[in-house]
Amino acid sequence: GDSVTQMEGPVTLSEEAFLTINCTYTATGYPSLFWYVQYPGEGLQLLLKATKADDKGSNKGFEATYRKETTSFHLEKGSVQVSDSAVYFCALSRSTNAGKSTFGDGTTLTVKP
Amino acid sequence: SQTIHQWPATLVQPVGSPLSLECTVEGTSNPNLYWYRQAAGRGLQLLFYSVGIGQISSEVPQNLSASRPQDRQFILSSKKLLLSDSGFYLCAWSVKRDLTDTQYFGPGTRLTVL
Repeated sequence: GDSVTQMEGPVTLSEEAFLTINCTYTATGYPSLFWYVQYPGEGLQLLLKATKADDKGSNKGFEATYRKETTSFHLEKGSVQVSDSAVYFCALSRSTNAGKSTFGDGTTLTVKP
Repeated sequence: SQTIHQWPATLVQPVGSPLSLECTVEGTSNPNLYWYRQAAGRGLQLLFYSVGIGQISSEVPQNLSASRPQDRQFILSSKKLLLSDSGFYLCAWSVKRDLTDTQYFGPGTRLTVL
């Protein structure tokens, strides 16, 4: 079945540091790939997505590129801020799967001033 | 624009008591609906999903149940809560014609079973 594996956390960085959170997936066909973010005490919200190989999703300075050859969708940001502290979830969905998504376990990011 | 509501926001219940959590979506019709649970420090576990009124699929065996009495209303219930039911419950929806199945989450309900 489908699965998503994320880099284990927690990750602690200083402000303005470079961020990478690794994500790899296993799925048949051509899934869509997502990063969702969850701020403390809130629900998840979509951060970015990519729907086909070599697509790059980007939002709020975050980027991730759909790499089919390595089945990866790593999240990157060049300079993190304290306000980026949150839990980040990598996820995939396949249109043939009745609208269901498969989520990774989440990676907690803490950015210190 | 679309919005999703969940209530209550927090709930403390004794073991063995019943549960009813409600989720409603506004600004869209015929959405897919989902209930997830997030245990403390853990990832998301899909509990139920629904593609239409009265159509419920269960992902994991448990003492919870779900119902969809109206197009944009999704209810999570239990007759007798267990300690292990504690967690953060998230409702989400997606658009059927969106083949990427992007999910839109509600604010969540924090349930503590004592």
